[in-house]
Amino acid sequence: QVTLKESGPVLVKPTETLTLTCTVSGFSLSNARMGVSWIRQPPGKALEWLAHIFSNDEKSYSTSLKSRLTISKDTSKSQVVLTMTNMDPVDTATYYCARAGYGDPLDYWGQGTLVTVSS
Amino acid sequence: EIVLTQSPGTLSLSPGERATLSCRASQSVSSSYLAWYQQKPGQAPRLLIYGASSRATGIPDRFSGSGSGTDFTLTISRLEPEDFAVYYCQQYGSSPGFTFGPGTKVDIK
Repeated sequence: QVTLKESGPVLVKPTETLTLTCTVSGFSLSNARMGVSWIRQPPGKALEWLAHIFSNDEKSYSTSLKSRLTISKDTSKSQVVLTMTNMDPVDTATYYCARAGYGDPLDYWGQGTLVTVSS
Repeated sequence: EIVLTQSPGTLSLSPGERATLSCRASQSVSSSYLAWYQQKPGQAPRLLIYGASSRATGIPDRFSGSGSGTDFTLTISRLEPEDFAVYYCQQYGSSPGFTFGPGTKVDIK
């Protein structure tokens, strides 16, 4: 059974760095051609893809947020980590992680974690 | 970078009616790497359609996808009460990665 679960702070202050962790089970991050994405959704708004990492450590980032994002993985812990620097109130959103193989859609999603940016 | 637009923004229909949702891409989506997701309030999105027309596991056959190139359609043949939700299209075959459309809300008339 494939599951993904996001964890991290509920509240961050403006200018701080956000670190989110996605812990996966039911598949291995070392499986060939397997990967994990981060996606966010501000309250009442649309989904926005942020970043993706593959098993071979190939990474891709949203063009508009690339300068603020870093994605990494720890295969031994079955975890994918996203950091986002210089947080702003407009970054308040539910952050999801989801699985996708190479050339595949996002087939399994975590439940999401709401992050609020406020002083 | 491919930009996706969806129309209409909101579709007001009654149970039993047919729903037709449109997704248009700013440039051709390679190999029909186009997916559709359903999202209900307070829930994560659920994959419905991939490869423009293939249903994901467990998705009822009242959901169908079609299209290629820059124009894609999601059709729900007869709306059930549980189908009232927001639907997003997404491309996953073009750099830098995945792009979502703005969504179409299907609500009860």
